[in-house]
Formats: sequence, C-alpha cells, structure tokens
Amino acid sequence: NAGVTQTPKFQVLKTGQSMTLQCAQDMNHNSMYWYRQDPGMGLRLIYYSASEGTTDKGEVPNGYNVSRLNKREFSLRLESAAPSQTSVYFCASGGDQTQYFGPGTRLLVL
Amino acid sequence: AQSVTQPDIHITVSEGASLELRCNYSYGATPYLFWYVQSPGQGLQLLLKYFSGDTLVQGIKGFEAEFKRSQSSFNLRKPSVHWSDAAEYFCAVVKDYGQNFVFGPGTRLSVLP
Repeated sequence: NAGVTQTPKFQVLKTGQSMTLQCAQDMNHNSMYWYRQDPGMGLRLIYYSASEGTTDKGEVPNGYNVSRLNKREFSLRLESAAPSQTSVYFCASGGDQTQYFGPGTRLLVL
Repeated sequence: AQSVTQPDIHITVSEGASLELRCNYSYGATPYLFWYVQSPGQGLQLLLKYFSGDTLVQGIKGFEAEFKRSQSSFNLRKPSVHWSDAAEYFCAVVKDYGQNFVFGPGTRLSVLP
C-alpha cells in the first residue's frame, strides 16, 4: 500500500519548456489535490478534483492545467514553465475529511 | 474568508523541554482542524485531527492538541521534545464536510541537544 506517489522527485526546466507532474493514489479516494509550497507561504492549492471527471481551480491556478485521468491518477501540467514556478509541488488525496500527501516534486525553472 | 495563523515562524527548544505551537483560525462555525509535520525534504504527515467531541486530541509521536472555541485556537503540545521532532509544523482547517484545506504558514521547530 504505497499511499500517494509522485513522479519525478526532481526536475530542472528551462524557461518555456513544458512538463507534466504525475500523481497516483491507491487509497480509493474520490478527491485529489495539487499544492505548491514556497518558503514562508505554507501550502497553496493550485487545482483540485472532487471526483473522477471533475476539476476545479484553487488559489493559484494560473500557468497550470490538470487532468484527472481516472480515480487513481491526477496530473499537473506546466505548458510553458516560468522561473516563478520554481517550487515544491505536493499531490494529496482526500478521504474521511482528511488529506494524505505524497513526497513532493522539487522543480527548478531556470 | 477562512484563514489560519501560526504566530511563531521559528521556535527553538532544548531536547527534553516541553513544546507548544500556536494555531489560530478565523471561521464562524467549528471547522475540522489538523496538524501536519514535515521533516526536511519530505511530504506532510498527519499528526492529529479534531472533528468534534473531546477537545483534547491525542496524535502520533506523543503529540496532543487542544481545541478552544472561545479563543479560536488549536495549539499543539508535547511534554518532552526529542531531537527527531525538529521539523516544520503546519496547522490546517477545513469547513464541515468540505475537502478543501486552508493551511497556516508553518512553524519551524529546532531542537538543541
């Protein structure tokens, strides 16, 4: 039982490049989330999916897109990376009014 | 709008000393309340949560938290800190039956030997 897994763990991009962050959960949760974590700002919600087939914007959605591929998987895409998107990205899944987090992806945009 | 404040950005305690991390929230009704811990380079691990009932809740790793409605607070405590408790601690709140969390900015805990 792996919980929430994320790939890759680290990534370096050049400005303007695109990439997709992958997230999968094996807890049969309906809801999934993408956050970014920046120093002194806690976690900020980018997008969430309350159930398979639905996605909604969070606090900081600009520059990102998401896909809820199925109940298990929720991906985050950066179409044209910018230095301001340098951050640590966390995926979470939600059940029983509690969220469970993956180990994170560290992204550096040069 | 809901908000969560953690007044202390950084706290340093000696190993074996007691610890209290503060958390205040602004929300009209009683929200669901959580404490998470994040060790360096790791994801967030749930320490404990409060939904209803007994206002003193026990969590993992010897932590406890007390919900005080009158003060809109949910402070985290541990009677004797271990060096392995050095980490960042996040308080979070969510509306009843909702799923979207609001996180505080975090408190970084350092432990002196």
